[in-house]
Amino acid sequence: NAGVMQNPRHLVRRRGQEARLRCSPMKGHSHVYWYRQLPEEGLKFMVYLQKENIIDESGMPKERFSAEFPKEGPSILRIQQVVRGDSAAYFCASSPAPSTDTQYFGPGTRLTVL
Amino acid sequence: SQQGEEDPQALSIQEGENATMNCSYKTSINNLQWYRQNSGRGLVHLILIRSNEREKHSGRLRVTLDTSKKSSSLLITASRAADTASYFCATGLTGTASKLTFGTGTRLQVTL
Repeated sequence: NAGVMQNPRHLVRRRGQEARLRCSPMKGHSHVYWYRQLPEEGLKFMVYLQKENIIDESGMPKERFSAEFPKEGPSILRIQQVVRGDSAAYFCASSPAPSTDTQYFGPGTRLTVL
Repeated sequence: SQQGEEDPQALSIQEGENATMNCSYKTSINNLQWYRQNSGRGLVHLILIRSNEREKHSGRLRVTLDTSKKSSSLLITASRAADTASYFCATGLTGTASKLTFGTGTRLQVTL
């Protein structure tokens, strides 16, 4: 019974490139949440998705960031034209129902922008 | 500003001592959770306390919640070097079924 999987675990990009972060939720979970952790800070909510729908994107930057959770396959967080300020750890969590009680976190993807 | 603010920001104690961390928040909550994060690693869920509960225990952990003061505390008794980590509180806010709001964290250092 695998937990939440994220890949890659570490990602290095140069300024201006695109970053794609993947999250496979736990089996049977159809709700995915993305959080960002800047160095020396707590996690900040970015977006909440159900299969094929964005439910709450109140924490997403207005430009360059997008997220999807297709019917088949993992959830993808996409960052276009990365800048140094995008360097952070990106965590995804999943739950079987919309809830803050039972979010299970993945190990995170650490993005470094050179 | 952050919904959750931990206090202190950093704490250094010796093995065997107790460590107490506090978390304050601003708005009504459904629940409050504590997580541990070892350096450069993911989050480990420690304990969840609901808004109608006042105290919970799990092993060497004791969490209290005072909704009138909008605050919570995490007590780790008989600390060990392996407890060295950052500790975050996270709140599930009333009316939002989706997002957890994390505090700024307390960095705990337990020395031998």
